[in-house]
Amino acid sequence: EPEVTQTPSHQVTQMGQEVILRCVPISNHLYFYWYRQILGQKVEFLVSFYNNEISEKSEIFDDQFSVERPDGSNFTLKIRSTKLEDSAMYFCASRLFRGAASSGSSYNEQFFGPGTRLTVL
Amino acid sequence: EDKVVQSPLSLVVHEGDTVTLNCSYEVTNFRSLLWYKQEKKAPTFLFMLTSSGIEKKSGRLSSILDKKELFSILNITATQTGDSAVYLCAVEGDSGGGADGLTFGKGTHLIIQP
Repeated sequence: EPEVTQTPSHQVTQMGQEVILRCVPISNHLYFYWYRQILGQKVEFLVSFYNNEISEKSEIFDDQFSVERPDGSNFTLKIRSTKLEDSAMYFCASRLFRGAASSGSSYNEQFFGPGTRLTVL
Repeated sequence: EDKVVQSPLSLVVHEGDTVTLNCSYEVTNFRSLLWYKQEKKAPTFLFMLTSSGIEKKSGRLSSILDKKELFSILNITATQTGDSAVYLCAVEGDSGGGADGLTFGKGTHLIIQP
């Protein structure tokens, strides 16, 4: 069964350093997402990506964050200058199809990867 | 701002019991409500609900949505220790821009005792 993969599983970095988290979405999916989950808190949406550009982003996704699909398979999240509060589990998700809200078409669920635990020291 | 409230936040029952997990929501232009199970790491998909009153079932799990009352429940019958997990409820809205992300609740931490 196809699945979303993420690397590395755990990343430790020093405050102020740049990190790149990598994701390989399911191959025929069209929509890609990043979420984060700070320990003990709820999963929070960061950004969605479609047709090689950002589709939506949350207030959390400030200028320190960027996303890229450098080739046909990878989807990356870059944090330019990490802060202590960036420590969290980062989940990538992908989705085949979104569908029109007003139509009767089915909506496809988002499939989540196993996550990258980012620790900023 | 979209909002999801789950209750209870934690629940401890014995194997064989039936549990009902609750999810209420507020969302701009509702598209779907989803239930996920989170064990160690990634949320794994359980159900997607878009229409009121239609029960979705998968084995011992079932879920239903009430779009008038902005509410969903997840039922698990004949619980097993393997059902122990955090159950997440999430909603997807449509703010009119692009692909909105999911808004998650805090989850219900379910513990099944043997």
